[in-house]
This record gives sequence, C-alpha cells and structure tokens, in this order.
Amino acid sequence: QKEVEQNSGPLSVPEGAIASLNCTYSDRGSQSFFWYRQYSGKSPELIMSIYSNGDKEDGRFTAQLNKASQYVSLLIRDSQPSDSATYLCAVNKQSGYSTLTFGKGTMLLVSP
Amino acid sequence: SAVISQKPSRDICQRGTSLTIQCQVDSQVTMMFWYRQQPGQSLTLIATANQGSEATYESGFVIDKFPISRPNLTFSTLTVSNMSPEDSSIYLCSVTSGGDNEQFFGPGTRLTVL
Repeated sequence: QKEVEQNSGPLSVPEGAIASLNCTYSDRGSQSFFWYRQYSGKSPELIMSIYSNGDKEDGRFTAQLNKASQYVSLLIRDSQPSDSATYLCAVNKQSGYSTLTFGKGTMLLVSP
Repeated sequence: SAVISQKPSRDICQRGTSLTIQCQVDSQVTMMFWYRQQPGQSLTLIATANQGSEATYESGFVIDKFPISRPNLTFSTLTVSNMSPEDSSIYLCSVTSGGDNEQFFGPGTRLTVL
C-alpha cells in the first residue's frame, strides 16, 4: 500500500464549479496534513495545512480531515482557470522532525 | 514566509561529473530539506540537512552520492556526485521555521545529465 495516495486525474471542472480533491494515507500516527499547488515548471506552493479533524476554510479553499478514515480532502469553490495545476497532498511521518511524504498529485483542469 | 533562492536554476552536465546546488534563505530557519522530483513524478525526500552535523538520509539515498552541507541556519548545499542520466531531475530545497511543520520550497534546480 502506498503511503499517500491520490487520484492522478486529470480532474476536469468548468469555471465556477467546486473541485474536490482527495487523498488517503496509510500511517495512522500522522498528525499534520498539507495541500500544495504546483504549476507546470514551478515549485510547490503551500496552500493549506490542517491538523485536527473537521474542516478548515481559507478563502475559496476548504481542507477536510478525517483521521479515523485516514482521509484528507481539498475543496476549491468557484474554480478559476488559474486554479489549473497539480495538487499535492503531503503527510508528516510519524518519526522524525518535519519530514513529509507526498502523494503523486492530482492534476486539475478548470475550463473557461 | 522566508524567501528561498537556489543556484543554479538549471544546468546541463556530463555523466561522471558532479554538481553542487546551493540553497540560501533570507532568515534563520529551523529545518532544511532536500527533495528530488523526477519527470512526471512527485517529490521524494533525499535528506534532512542538519546544522553543524551530518545530514539524515532517507532510504535509498547515501552520503557518497548526495553529500550535503549546512554550515549555518540560512544556507545549505547538495552535491550530486558521479552523475548519470538517471540523476536528471528537479532538485528542491525546503525549509521550516518556528514550531509549525509547514514547509516552503525554493524555486528548484533543473538538472539534465547527458
């Protein structure tokens, strides 16, 4: 079983729709969860972090965490073409300082 | 968040040679990391750069191939030694500061080995 799993996509949504990106992880001891956005040819950019079960909202972005189900998601409301990118889910390792394990990412395409 | 720069931004190298990549941060940071992102793949952690001591390498990565230095709290280098075409990749440094686990990435170094 892969440590952090994401659907590779592409996930295609029309402009203005809600994009839902999902991620599952295998390490039950994980405590910190992150969503990064990566445009083609660019480095990853942190957009959300979540540490507790439930929802966390920041502008058009909502991260959802369910530790019992080992599941974390990212909702993007009112999707824009500029949101088209690969979204990487990252989870901290149980051991070590702040080492992260990344999923392979989901490509999101928002069509005008 | 900290401003992170990397040098070089890209390079084309011959097999068998070595390249040293620099990562500079504009403020002191707690942790520095080096990642590799191979074409079409996600990020793989190479090592944690420890200030004043040997780096902590992840499984599959060894010091002889990827020597790392971190002489102070704002600077680190990663050397890719005895390169082969399989080393062609983007190499990224990242940092954390304070008590959060949030990591922020530098712009990356795109390496092509011929």
